[in-house]
Amino acid sequence: IAGITQAPTSQILAAGRRMTLRCTQDMRHNAMYWYRQDLGLGLRLIHYSNTAGTTGKGEVPDGYSVSRANTDDFPLTLASAVPSQTSVYFCASSVSRGPYEQYFGPGTRLTVT
Amino acid sequence: GNSVTQMEGPVTLSEEAFLTINCTYTATGYPSLFWYVQYPGEGLQLLLKATKADDKGSNKGFEATYRKETTSFHLEKGSVQVSDSAVYFCALSVNYGQNFVFGPGTRLSVLP
Repeated sequence: IAGITQAPTSQILAAGRRMTLRCTQDMRHNAMYWYRQDLGLGLRLIHYSNTAGTTGKGEVPDGYSVSRANTDDFPLTLASAVPSQTSVYFCASSVSRGPYEQYFGPGTRLTVT
Repeated sequence: GNSVTQMEGPVTLSEEAFLTINCTYTATGYPSLFWYVQYPGEGLQLLLKATKADDKGSNKGFEATYRKETTSFHLEKGSVQVSDSAVYFCALSVNYGQNFVFGPGTRLSVLP
C-alpha cells in the first residue's frame, strides 16, 4: 500500500451502536488526524496525535475517542453513535516539522440512522 | 486566531477560461500556505504549497504566490479543463500540525 488507507469505505449504522473507523498509513509520519466533513461546515478536526502514544482533542471531539498504539494506525471510535455523527470522515497524516503539509485518506462515509 | 477566507462558489467556467480563486488569511506567526483539491467522492489532495513570502507554488498548471503584504494566496490557472472540476481548499499551518486551518472550499465547475 502507498499512502493512507481507511476502512470501511462506507457504513450504515444504527443509533446507539459502537463503531470503529480504521486508518493506516505507510509513510512513517509521526502525526495523524481525524476530520469530519459536512456540507456547509467544511472540514473540522476531531482528534489528533503528534506521535505514537499521545493524542489530543480537536475542534469537535465529543462522542469520539482515538488511540495511537503505533506509528501506522490511528483508529477512531464512536462509542454510541448518534444521527448527528452522520458525515464523511477523513484520516490524514503529516511529518512533525514544518510546513506540516497533510496527506489524506479516501474517506469513510458514515450514516447513522 | 488563525483563519482562512475563500471566495464563495460555485464558480462556473467554460473550458480554456482563466481561473482565479481568491484566498486571504489571518495568522499569528508565520504560516505556510497550501491549496488542496477534492475530486468527487475522494479525499483531499495537496495541489501546491508555499512556505515563505513571495514563494510561488505551482503544479498541474495551477499557481499561487504567497503575498505577505496582502495576506493572500490566490489560486490561478491560465486555461481550465473539464477535468479540473472539483472543490478547492485554501489552508494554512502554523507551528504544529493540529493548527492546520482550512478555508470553506470553493466548488469549480468547468463546462465543455
